[in-house]
Amino acid sequence: DVKVTQSSRYLVKRTGEKVFLECVQDMDHENMFWYRQDPGLGLRLIYFSYDVKMKEKGDIPEGYSVSREKKERFSLILESASTNQTSMYLCASSARDRVYEQYFGPGTRLTVT
Amino acid sequence: GEDVEQSLFLSVREGDSSVINCTYTDSSSTYLYWYKQEPGAGLQLLTYIFSNMDMKQDQRLTVLLNKKDKHLSLRIADTQTGDSAIYFCAESTGNTGKLIFGQGTTLQVKP
Repeated sequence: DVKVTQSSRYLVKRTGEKVFLECVQDMDHENMFWYRQDPGLGLRLIYFSYDVKMKEKGDIPEGYSVSREKKERFSLILESASTNQTSMYLCASSARDRVYEQYFGPGTRLTVT
Repeated sequence: GEDVEQSLFLSVREGDSSVINCTYTDSSSTYLYWYKQEPGAGLQLLTYIFSNMDMKQDQRLTVLLNKKDKHLSLRIADTQTGDSAIYFCAESTGNTGKLIFGQGTTLQVKP
């Protein structure tokens, strides 16, 4: 079974802190994605990556950056956390030749106070 | 830009059929998806349909696609309390794997 894990289920940070959210997948998938989920808005794509060291902006990249130094790991970075970044963050991955099967991690609920 | 719309809430009785509807705007959508999210969990891919198909059935789930009206529906037969969850419709275009999600429909199943 594909497994996508995220480093924390719950995280509380202060405004202005630098925050790292880690995602690891164990199926050698080329594609990895970061979404944020907010009630009534569904999921919105922040950043995605097709390969190591590659990244593409999604629909809402402002205030975020990403890093993909190894194929299995995709990190989301909040350079200076703000209260409007309080949200549920979901990581996903898919194989290049099976893009229609995207597997999600359990999510990290981030609260910025 | 692309948009996917769903109603926010649906309530049914156990044993009834549930129909969750979704509309999308991107006429070049390649795949359309239904995901399920149980409380406190990530998203689980329930099923997907390629854009040149009209229908797909998988056990209690039936997906109908009306490409002309850009309308997708998910029918759950014999709905059980374990089906209570948020259901997300999504679409993707080409081979990018980028998904555009709807707002999610909360399905409440009453015993």
